[in-house]
Amino acid sequence: GQQLNQSPQSMFIQEGEDVSMNCTSSSIFNTWLWYKQDPGEGPVLLIALYKAGELTSNGRLTAQFGITRKDSFLNISASIPSDVGIYFCAGQEGGSNYKLTFGKGTLLTVNP
Amino acid sequence: GAGVSQSPSNKVTEKGKDVELRCDPISGHTALYWYRQSLGQGLEFLIYFQGNSAPDKSGLPSDRFSAERTGGSVSTLTIQRTEQRDSAMYRCASSVREESTEAFFGQGTRLTVV
Repeated sequence: GQQLNQSPQSMFIQEGEDVSMNCTSSSIFNTWLWYKQDPGEGPVLLIALYKAGELTSNGRLTAQFGITRKDSFLNISASIPSDVGIYFCAGQEGGSNYKLTFGKGTLLTVNP
Repeated sequence: GAGVSQSPSNKVTEKGKDVELRCDPISGHTALYWYRQSLGQGLEFLIYFQGNSAPDKSGLPSDRFSAERTGGSVSTLTIQRTEQRDSAMYRCASSVREESTEAFFGQGTRLTVV
């Protein structure tokens, strides 16, 4: 089955710094998604990418859908303390297969 | 309710007992997903229901796991003869249709098998 490798596993940064995380897949996805999970909460969708090469921003967040359709990255600029949480990438094959396959997450800690 | 509702929020059970976990999706959402999340792990796909079509059960880890969705709304995930390795957070998500990637997650059910 599909496997997603997400890196890094964890990051410790200072407030104001930029951060980047990425995911690579063993297979092609037609949709890439980035979720954030706060402690004790369910994941919340941040950005959805539907087209190879697509670059999409949501405030301080920017994500790109890799040309090969096997990778994606998420950048957070000018981090703030509330950015703390676990960030998950997820891929969806599409066609008749709609299940979301998730990476293992990147734990982000922001020191004020 | 406004969001995906799961119950119970916490369940402690003895090894060997059966458990049922419930998910109330957002009204009108035709797609419903079950995932399992262990500490430090991502979300492991279990099963999803898509409208009136046969569910995709490819993620269920063993035949002790089963799920139903009655009337296209509420879903129940049943684990029979629970084992300690079944301990995890079980999360349900729903989306307005199966091809929509805007999946909304519930707060989850924390299952502990002792």
